[in-house]
Amino acid sequence: SQQGEEDPQALSIQEGENATMNCSYKTSINNLQWYRQNSGRGLVHLILIRSNEREKHSGRLRVTLDTSKKSSSLLITASRAADTASYFCATENSGYSTLTFGKGTMLLVSP
Amino acid sequence: DAGVIQSPRHEVTEMGQEVTLRCKPISGHNSLFWYRQTMMRGLELLIYFNNNVPIDDSGMPEDRFSAKMPNASFSTLKIQPSEPRDSAVYFCASSLREPYGYTFGSGTRLTVV
Repeated sequence: SQQGEEDPQALSIQEGENATMNCSYKTSINNLQWYRQNSGRGLVHLILIRSNEREKHSGRLRVTLDTSKKSSSLLITASRAADTASYFCATENSGYSTLTFGKGTMLLVSP
Repeated sequence: DAGVIQSPRHEVTEMGQEVTLRCKPISGHNSLFWYRQTMMRGLELLIYFNNNVPIDDSGMPEDRFSAKMPNASFSTLKIQPSEPRDSAVYFCASSLREPYGYTFGSGTRLTVV
């Protein structure tokens, strides 16, 4: 069953713009992770944020977590054509040791 | 490290045939996961191994699916007999747990005709 639900399902922007993707989930979590998947490839881990953290940065990525609203956002600043991919949020639920993935946001960055 | 290695990359088989997918996790990772990805259902966890022991196989669709991990460096997912609805991309991933995420293989695209 799906835990995380990403919004929007698809996003199209120009190079240099910022891209924001949101994720909502339903149950208590240990951590929330974001992954990128290029077409025809496996998923690549981007960033992990623990349930007691509110914000985390990694290069051009910024992730926020609001456990009271059960939501997270991924911001990609100064986007590049190479950022074109699908982005998934995944939650490790309390009491479990596995990740449950959402259906992803397809990001298209045009030159 | 070459990452998580899956084979074959593509598999086309006829309905009723046995299919075996293979995975070599990253050396030192103690958790291994098999996921299936389809457009309709997204990414679904099939089975999770920890230290070579199956911990959670509740995602295995039915008895036609079986998975083994005979040692820390090898796992297989077998479908017998295969059906057209098994067509999907099957991913293997390994992990060292938090604070690290999963490392995924490139996947096996299975087509059952």
